[in-house]
Amino acid sequence: DQQVKQNSPSLSVQEGRISILNCDYTNSMFDYFLWYKKYPAEGPTFLISISSIKDKNEDGRFTVFLNKSAKHLSLHIVPSQPGDSAVYFCAASGYSGGGADGLTFGKGTHLIIQP
Amino acid sequence: TAGITQAPTSQILAAGRSMTLRCTQDMRHNAMYWYRQDLGLGLRLIHYSNTAGTTGKGEVPDGYSVSRANTDDFPLTLASAVPSQTSVYFCASSDGRGQKAFFGQGTRLTVV
Repeated sequence: DQQVKQNSPSLSVQEGRISILNCDYTNSMFDYFLWYKKYPAEGPTFLISISSIKDKNEDGRFTVFLNKSAKHLSLHIVPSQPGDSAVYFCAASGYSGGGADGLTFGKGTHLIIQP
Repeated sequence: TAGITQAPTSQILAAGRSMTLRCTQDMRHNAMYWYRQDLGLGLRLIHYSNTAGTTGKGEVPDGYSVSRANTDDFPLTLASAVPSQTSVYFCASSDGRGQKAFFGQGTRLTVV
């Protein structure tokens, strides 16, 4: 059963507009959430994170919102730029019950910024 | 700064052969991880190590083994490769649970 879900495999946004990427999770033991950005043939790079004690974290053009009651988080990018075109992974950290440590990732959303 | 270094960058391996993917970090992080990325499946945790001398199984550990003899190195071994192990493998490290992980550039492995 997938514990971190990104239901949109791809998203196309016009340059300058807002990009909103969504992520849902099922495990209430997750207490730390991260977004990673990945370009082809490169490793994922950390973008922004949020602790479960917060509902918003902002870093420049990137803002992550967390709704714990809905088990939902979203990444807002504004304004969107061509260099933002990449695959974005939502990840969660916490005791998943399986005994494994590390981050649990969603399947990713391919963001395409149209000129 | 180097961060996480993986070797080789890519490899074609005959089924049944063994191979070790190397990973070295220079950030003195306690925790290290191996993930595999497959199309449509995201990144899945294979094995992890919270500190030197300890290892643990992730979501997809079968067919893989790891060791953590020191803080910097975390090799991943495929004892007898099978085609389903064709994937891109990423090594990562962090200061521990709840901390962001830093990733290497990946190893693209093709088992034929």
